[in-house]
Amino acid sequence: DAGITQSPRHKVTETGTPVTLRCHQTENHRYMYWYRQDPGHGLRLIHYSYGVKDTDKGEVSDGYSVSRSKTEDFLLTLESATSSQTSVYFCAIKGTDQETQYFGPGTRLLVL
Amino acid sequence: TQLLEQSPQFLSIQEGENLTVYCNSSSVFSSLQWYRQEPGEGPVLLVTVVTGGEVKKLKRLTFQFGDARKDSSLHITAAQPGDTGLYLCAPSEGGSYIPTFGRGTSLIVHP
Repeated sequence: DAGITQSPRHKVTETGTPVTLRCHQTENHRYMYWYRQDPGHGLRLIHYSYGVKDTDKGEVSDGYSVSRSKTEDFLLTLESATSSQTSVYFCAIKGTDQETQYFGPGTRLLVL
Repeated sequence: TQLLEQSPQFLSIQEGENLTVYCNSSSVFSSLQWYRQEPGEGPVLLVTVVTGGEVKKLKRLTFQFGDARKDSSLHITAAQPGDTGLYLCAPSEGGSYIPTFGRGTSLIVHP
């Protein structure tokens, strides 16, 4: 499972509140990714990181920010959650073969 | 931006039937990966195909990469309820670290 954990696994929050999701990996992989998955849209890339303090935007980055202060942790923050951000969020790392992605178990977020 | 399509979007079949799902694009890829995602879990890699025309088998699953490396298919023989899940294709362009996923084919196999 490439040692990827996500926390929390489930969260219910209210519109306008800040939310931070954490992705933790134990195998020192350089590349880490945050996706959201919604019915009819598949997996969409939010942000990714290619090293400590090195991040870049993905396809659907509006309303999200990320930080990576340590190799093992990649944080996704919703500064002011909206109902449109209700989704399942997956963290992933890129394996040593530079192609395979290994995914975490996901975080289900409900914004009321 | 590449156009990546997976078909069919949904498939509901009985145990024992055969099926094929497709992943098509307008772009040429260096490789392509197939993932399966079971309900409530993250996607898990099934196979990577690299060479045009390549065929790989994983038990009852047969994966083929098109000769032009623009498309791929996944054939399941004698489907079982354990095959239920979302099948995602993810092509790679050499040197790119920005992965792209198709929207997937949602398969339900009824006992």
